[in-house]
Amino acid sequence: AQSVTQLDSHVSVSEGTPVLLRCNYSSSYSPSLFWYVQHPNKGLQLLLKYTSAATLVKGINGFEAEFKKSETSFHLTKPSAHMSDAAEYFCVVNYHTGGGNKLTFGTGTQLKVEL
Amino acid sequence: DGGITQSPKYLFRKEGQNVTLSCEQNLNHDAMYWYRQDPGQGLRLIYYSQIVNDFQKGDIAEGYSVSREKKESFPLTVTSAQKNPTAFYLCASSLVGQPQHFGDGTRLSIL
Repeated sequence: AQSVTQLDSHVSVSEGTPVLLRCNYSSSYSPSLFWYVQHPNKGLQLLLKYTSAATLVKGINGFEAEFKKSETSFHLTKPSAHMSDAAEYFCVVNYHTGGGNKLTFGTGTQLKVEL
Repeated sequence: DGGITQSPKYLFRKEGQNVTLSCEQNLNHDAMYWYRQDPGQGLRLIYYSQIVNDFQKGDIAEGYSVSREKKESFPLTVTSAQKNPTAFYLCASSLVGQPQHFGDGTRLSIL
C-alpha cells in the first residue's frame, strides 16, 4: 500500500531564514507528488507538483521541492521565510492505478514563522 | 471566477439528525471528492465520483452518503449512523490525472 510520511509535525523558523519541510513516500509505482498549503479554516491550495518531468520543481510563493527517487523523498524548501508562510503544509502522493485519481495525504507539518 | 463553493461554512447537528453539506463547482471538472479532516490526521477520503450518476466509497464511507445528479454538484449527507461527525469537511474537484482543487470547507459540530 502507498503511504507518505511527513517527518516533522511542527517546524519553527525565524523570518528571513530558510525553510525545510521533509516528506518521504513509499512506492510500488511511479507516483505524482504534490505539496499543498492550508491556512486556518481554509481549503488546501496547490503549491507545486512533480509529474516525472524535471526533478527540481518550482512552485508559487518562492517554494520549491526536489524529487529524489533513491531516497524516496520530496522535501519542500524556501530560501527565506515570510510571516505569511505560517500555515499547515501537506505532502500528497497520487498513485496512478486503474482506480483513478486518488490521493494519499501526509499528516501535515505546521510551520511557524517568528520575528 | 471559477472555483468550488462549499456551504454552509459552519453547521451544527443534533443527535439523531441527518445533515447535508453542499459542494458546487463551476470548473467543468468531471471528478469530485469529499474528505474529512481531523487534527493531526491529515485528510481522509469519504466518497468520490468520476462521472455523473456514479460514485465510489473512499476509506471512511460508513455513516455518510452522496449523490451526483449533476456535474456541478456533489452533496454529502452525514447520517445519524456517523457516531463521531465533528470534523472539518473538504470538497475537491479535478480533471482526470490533474491536481485537485479544494473548497474552503464546512466545519460540522454536534449540539
